[in-house]
Amino acid sequence: DIQMTQSPSTLSASVGDGVTITCRASQSIDWLAWYQQKPGKAPKVLIYKASTLESGVPSRFSGSGSGTEFTLTISSLQPDDFATYYCHQYNSYMYSFGQGTKLEIK
Amino acid sequence: DVQLVESGGGLVQPGGSLRLSCAVSGFTFNDHFMDWVRQAPGKGLEWVGRTKNKASNYITEYAASVRGRFTISRDDSNDSLHLQMNSLKTEDTAVYYCVQYYYGAPYWGQGTLVTVSS
Repeated sequence: DIQMTQSPSTLSASVGDGVTITCRASQSIDWLAWYQQKPGKAPKVLIYKASTLESGVPSRFSGSGSGTEFTLTISSLQPDDFATYYCHQYNSYMYSFGQGTKLEIK
Repeated sequence: DVQLVESGGGLVQPGGSLRLSCAVSGFTFNDHFMDWVRQAPGKGLEWVGRTKNKASNYITEYAASVRGRFTISRDDSNDSLHLQMNSLKTEDTAVYYCVQYYYGAPYWGQGTLVTVSS
């Protein structure tokens, strides 16, 4: 099974800040997605195939990485961005998720 | 547009059974694998299992936590996915989502809440 280690678990930042969330896979993968989730809502796809921006998602969100190291970057935080973020590998067999990063207002 | 709509959630006692459904539209259902993912209250996301398509002999795969208790099936004639949950435990309480990976992009339903409690 592929384990996904996401960090940090909590991130405090201010509107206008740039932030980065990291996800590390226990083995090399090609298929990775990033989600934003707000309370009571389904996860929203931001990035898929590691770096492809989902249609309608603001360009301040970007994904990068390959192999076992991946990052989600938000270039200039907006009030609507404070939420929980998850990475998700869908490369093989038993898909798995990172533990989540809660992005809080400083 | 790809759309997935889950139904069938509710309150069930420990040891009981429940059947969830997922109605899909916007893509050729019978060509694709379909997954279930769940999220316990206040917790992270957990992959539950998958049904492959006819070309892959409808093979099903499950997480260890549900193997032997949950059964995934599909009805290609009605573009629907099902999750039969038996011997339910309190730790199965979660929102259950159906998920489809359409040309590499994940699509999620809105989820249906299953509460296992006496």
